[in-house]
Amino acid sequence: SAVISQKPSRDICQRGTSLTIQCQVDSQVTMMFWYRQQPGQSLTLIATANQGSEATYESGFVIDKFPISRPNLTFSTLTVSNMSPEDSSIYLCSGEAGTDTQYFGPGTRLTVL
Amino acid sequence: GNSVTQMEGPVTLSEEAFLTINCTYTATGYPSLFWYVQYPGEGLQLLLKATKADDKGSNKGFEATYRKETTSFHLEKGSVQVSDSAVYFCAPMGAGGTSYGKLTFGQGTILTVHP
Repeated sequence: SAVISQKPSRDICQRGTSLTIQCQVDSQVTMMFWYRQQPGQSLTLIATANQGSEATYESGFVIDKFPISRPNLTFSTLTVSNMSPEDSSIYLCSGEAGTDTQYFGPGTRLTVL
Repeated sequence: GNSVTQMEGPVTLSEEAFLTINCTYTATGYPSLFWYVQYPGEGLQLLLKATKADDKGSNKGFEATYRKETTSFHLEKGSVQVSDSAVYFCAPMGAGGTSYGKLTFGQGTILTVHP
């Protein structure tokens, strides 16, 4: 299994600002993903974080709004840019180490005022 | 891409009652199937999984069997406890192509167990 940590665990931000969320895995993982969980909703995949190349975004999500980095096999960041109250959600990263199982971080709870 | 239909909640049970949460999916190929659980105020935890037809995943008294013919992966537990109160998500994983490795989550089922 993989243990995944995220920073920050929560934040309250002002409209128009940006927040970068960090995701650290305790072992190398093949694939990393970022998900969003809006209040009372299920999880929606934002993008696949690709090591050494641009992330692959799902329909409805764009790089300008959610830039992602993945400099190595254990670390990724997601930035939520130019935030609005609609971006208030829990953001989760996950990692898959070739065992066909994804493990999730504890999530970052974002509130935008 | 994959899609999931999960039993709507909330589900309220008394302790020691039998639990079933239905999950059916549509997918290309033969995806691995997962149940995740989210306890109040906590992150998402893997509950169990099955990777091929007729496999049974089990953990903490929960079970689910991969039914290819009915494209279902229903979650069951014979005797629930108060500590099982949580949100349960069914999720197939993409098996190939651009869907490989991606989870598609059901809407989640809120389970509340009363003493």
